[in-house]
Amino acid sequence: QVQLQESGPGLVKPSQTLSLTCTVSSGSISSDYYYWSWIRQHPGMGLEWIGFSSNSGSTSYNPSLKSRVTISVDTSKNQFSLNLNSMTAADTAVYYCTAGSDTSKVARWGQGILVTVSS
Amino acid sequence: DVVMTQSPLSLSVTLGQPASISCRSSQSLVFSDGNSYLNWFQQRPGQSPRRLLYQASIRDSGVPDRFSGSGSGTDFTLKISGVEAEDVGVYYCMQGTHWPPVTFGQGTRLEIK
Repeated sequence: QVQLQESGPGLVKPSQTLSLTCTVSSGSISSDYYYWSWIRQHPGMGLEWIGFSSNSGSTSYNPSLKSRVTISVDTSKNQFSLNLNSMTAADTAVYYCTAGSDTSKVARWGQGILVTVSS
Repeated sequence: DVVMTQSPLSLSVTLGQPASISCRSSQSLVFSDGNSYLNWFQQRPGQSPRRLLYQASIRDSGVPDRFSGSGSGTDFTLKISGVEAEDVGVYYCMQGTHWPPVTFGQGTRLEIK
């Protein structure tokens, strides 16, 4: 089964840009799933969908974050990425990368990475 | 956006006893193809969520058959026929019919009494 692994900084300063990468293993980002999404979970809270990029390049973002988010797929590296700019303390959360298809928009999850925004 | 409302928000169950979690959506989740794109996820303490069921009632491989899902339209239910210690965690429903965005319920915390 497809495995997902997030990587990136665990600490980001306010106003900086967060860049996270999700590496796909035991499968192909081009064919095994179609929707490659990022979801975050604030400490002790529920789940918030950030957005997705498909392996054909289409994207969609949560309106609440749309002005600050970019998600892209790199098929040559079997990876996809999240960029979130103008970070504030309110963006402190565990960030998950996920894979999904038309039958289930979110199916597989990475283990998550805690990102703290602090100076 | 579709609002997903779970109840109860917490559940304390004796080992071996059944448990039931309700999930209601603000709009019908029946898509034009007749399917309801409703997922159930389990998040054990310290772990990432894991999908248990999709399209309301289809169990993922490796998920014990004590987990079952039912419902259509706006009302859905996750049932555990006999709770085991490993079932402790938070359960979320998620709709993928009216997307983007997908939206999640608030989560239901299951503990052992």
